Amino acid sequence: QKEVEQDPGPLSVPEGAIVSLNCTYSNSAFQYFMWYRQYSRKGPELLMYTYSSGNKEDGRFTAQVDKSSKYISLFIRDSQPSDSATYLCAMSQGAQKLVFGQGTRLTINP
Amino acid sequence: EAQVTQNPRYLITVTGKKLTVTCSQNMNHEYMSWYRQDPGLGLRQIYYSMNVEVTDKGDVPEGYKVSRKEKRNFPLILESPSPNQTSLYFCASTPTGHIEQFFGPGTRLTVL
Repeated sequence: QKEVEQDPGPLSVPEGAIVSLNCTYSNSAFQYFMWYRQYSRKGPELLMYTYSSGNKEDGRFTAQVDKSSKYISLFIRDSQPSDSATYLCAMSQGAQKLVFGQGTRLTINP
Repeated sequence: EAQVTQNPRYLITVTGKKLTVTCSQNMNHEYMSWYRQDPGLGLRQIYYSMNVEVTDKGDVPEGYKVSRKEKRNFPLILESPSPNQTSLYFCASTPTGHIEQFFGPGTRLTVL
């Protein structure tokens, strides 16, 4: 079993839809939970991160962490074609040793 | 401009021919790391370095070497590449204790 599981998709939704991306994990020692966004032919870029449990909101993006269920989510409201990318969840115990999910390829159709 | 650069961006080579992929960052970051990205497997860490002359294995180190003689550079060496090392490689850096890792643009390697 992988330490971090993420549905690879692909996921295709119409513009304006609410998108939900999810990851599950098995290591209860993870404390930092991150979402990276990767555009085609580019390196990943950090979108948001959360320390321990709870929610975090940044504009149209909301990250949720449920440590009791070992489940994290990223919600995108009012999705735009520019949100089309691969979204990678990542987790770590400390600040720097990251474990990534497989990535979900998302397409927002105009 | 603050960035991580990698060279080459694309490389096609043959089995057994030694190659080096360079990585350089201009942000004075202590921590640097190499990942490979494969379909269905996500990003997996190959090697990392906490600072100059300090390196350690990640999750998939077999067949790779690294060195960290200067803070800004962290080359990845494949002494005898094999087809199963065909992949997309990313270098990343971050200051000690920080969460965000800054990734380079990637190097697509094909080993025939």
